[in-house]
Amino acid sequence: SYDLTQPPSVSVSPGQTAGITCSGDQLGNKYTSWYQQRPGQSPVLVIYQNTKRPSGIPERFSGSKSGNTATLTIGGAQPMDEADYYCQVWDNSIVFGGGTKLTVL
Amino acid sequence: QLQLQESGSGLVKPSQTLSLTCVVSGGSFSSGNYAWSWIRQSPGKGLEWIGYIYHSGYTYYNSSLKSRVTISIDNSKSQFSLKLNSVTAADTAVYYCARLYSSSTVGDNWFDPWGQGTLVTVSS
Repeated sequence: SYDLTQPPSVSVSPGQTAGITCSGDQLGNKYTSWYQQRPGQSPVLVIYQNTKRPSGIPERFSGSKSGNTATLTIGGAQPMDEADYYCQVWDNSIVFGGGTKLTVL
Repeated sequence: QLQLQESGSGLVKPSQTLSLTCVVSGGSFSSGNYAWSWIRQSPGKGLEWIGYIYHSGYTYYNSSLKSRVTISIDNSKSQFSLKLNSVTAADTAVYYCARLYSSSTVGDNWFDPWGQGTLVTVSS
């Protein structure tokens, strides 16, 4: 089975930039999506097709990819961005990363 | 604005069948680019994709659950359903339904939006 690796946790001070990585074999050849899940809520799509932002998602959220690592960057993190973040790709099946807990403090 | 709402039994006994339904409202249900999907999240854990179905009835399941899962669709009611048989405590989770957009490019897909989720507990 295909594995996506995310760091369990990332911390950032308010107003600073946070980066959450997602690594996997041949990830460079795959489309990556990212989801935000605030405590007690359903996941919300924040990035699709590696770099695109859905309508309504703040511009401080951006996606990028380098080699076999995709990165979700939150520029100028806000307390409301504190959440779990999941990456997702397709590898003959839908695969989610293990999730990263972002703490803003 | 498209909305999805899960419903079904919140408590299921071990070895029995879990049954959930997701009703879709506020948007197109039969577009060829959309599949309707189930995803679950065990308490304190990450997301696990279960499977999806197109309005044509075509299904695709997670291989780890395939032997126990059936997803069906009722286009006339804009709803789709999940059945998971022979459940154990390991199937205790919040179950989400979501729309999966898939382009013509293999692997180009994403989930948006998601339902609010429903907790299913497997216990005697």
